[in-house]
Amino acid sequence: EEQLVESGGGLVQPGGSLRLSCAASGFSFSTYWMTWVRQAPGKGLEWVANIKQDGSEMYYVDSVKGRFTISRDNAKKSLYLQMNSLRAEDTAVYYCARRGASGSWVGYWGQGSLVIVSS
Amino acid sequence: DIQMTQSPSSVSASVGDRVTITCRASQGISSWLAWYQQKPGKAPKLLIYAASSLQRGVPSRFSGSGSGTDFTLTISSLQPEDFATYYCQQANSFPFTFGPGTKVDIK
Repeated sequence: EEQLVESGGGLVQPGGSLRLSCAASGFSFSTYWMTWVRQAPGKGLEWVANIKQDGSEMYYVDSVKGRFTISRDNAKKSLYLQMNSLRAEDTAVYYCARRGASGSWVGYWGQGSLVIVSS
Repeated sequence: DIQMTQSPSSVSASVGDRVTITCRASQGISSWLAWYQQKPGKAPKLLIYAASSLQRGVPSRFSGSGSGTDFTLTISSLQPEDFATYYCQQANSFPFTFGPGTKVDIK
């Protein structure tokens, strides 16, 4: 069974850092683009970052460029999101997600990890 | 960035009703569009990809159509488990943006 399990969320002060992890199982992790998508409380969805199968290409939404870093370890079947200089507006549920094999939609989602940025 | 809009923002419907949700892109995206369903406290679920392809395991009462800038999601006969929020998403160019969502609730 396919699974994506996020961890690392929590409460952090503005300006602080947090690292989210996502453990994948049940599918060939190294053959998929992987993604982080977030959802602020009561709001819609925002595609945050993408990483290619071999980690050679990464893309970020403008609002997190220079502050967030997406990475992966195919040997450990794990995806990461390093978040620095966090702001209140980064408060959201962060979903680890697997891109579709045929296009840039999300074929499979994790359960989400809540990040709260507050003093 | 490509902007996505949806209408209506909410719809009240009864079990058995036909429901249609519209999504519009600010520029042409060919058929690079997906539809998701999200229930409270849960992750979204992919329903339709490539504008009209039904994701495996999704009931056939869901269908998608359109290309270019205008798209629709149709639920042919609304079931109790379909009350949720629906999002469209363009998959044409990064950043892959979502529509603001359409909430389908019980009339």
